[in-house]
Amino acid sequence: NAGVTQTPKFRVLKTGQSMTLLCAQDMNHEYMYWYRQDPGMGLRLIHYSVGEGTTAKGEVPDGYNVSRLKKQNFLLGLESAAPSQTSVYFCASSPGTYTIYFGEGSWLTVV
Amino acid sequence: GDSVTQMEGPVTLSEEAFLTINCTYTATGYPSLFWYVQYPGEGLQLLLKATKADDKGSNKGFEATYRKETTSFHLEKGSVQVSDSAVYFCALSDNGSSNTGKLIFGQGTTLQVKP
Repeated sequence: NAGVTQTPKFRVLKTGQSMTLLCAQDMNHEYMYWYRQDPGMGLRLIHYSVGEGTTAKGEVPDGYNVSRLKKQNFLLGLESAAPSQTSVYFCASSPGTYTIYFGEGSWLTVV
Repeated sequence: GDSVTQMEGPVTLSEEAFLTINCTYTATGYPSLFWYVQYPGEGLQLLLKATKADDKGSNKGFEATYRKETTSFHLEKGSVQVSDSAVYFCALSDNGSSNTGKLIFGQGTTLQVKP
């Protein structure tokens, strides 16, 4: 009963450090997404993928990279973390219908 | 571009009060509309949806009707409970040819229900 799993759940980074957030889904969904959530701004789409081996930019892609080498995994990378990237990150997946399933979130603080 | 606007929060109600959270949207195509709920420390869960004009989505006592003429999708519940305390997000999905399933969210409205 896993659904969408994100790791790590919490992380503190220093400015300039790099890290990767991992998202894994076990529902064989084609579409996967990375969102960030900031107070008063709702969720904003960073990058998304419509299938294995594909990625595309969302609303706020700068400073992030992604990869979808396997259908079940969608990785979000920060090459050089900045304080402005302090946020809660949500991964989501969808079978391509109207319903999107979210993970529980990853809290990232950049100091 | 497409956008969603929700009423400012927080909304504080007493138990059993009537709830309305306003949501309006701007879209060039024919979007599907959603309400998601986020309980403290958790991810978002789909609460209800409507895929075409005049559809009514409903779940757990919550309702919302897709009003194309007013570009609105207001969330209502007749009698709220303390357990309904959460953040509510209105969202739309573009049903255009790309059909990527991307969601555009409103800023969220915090609901606090007091006993």
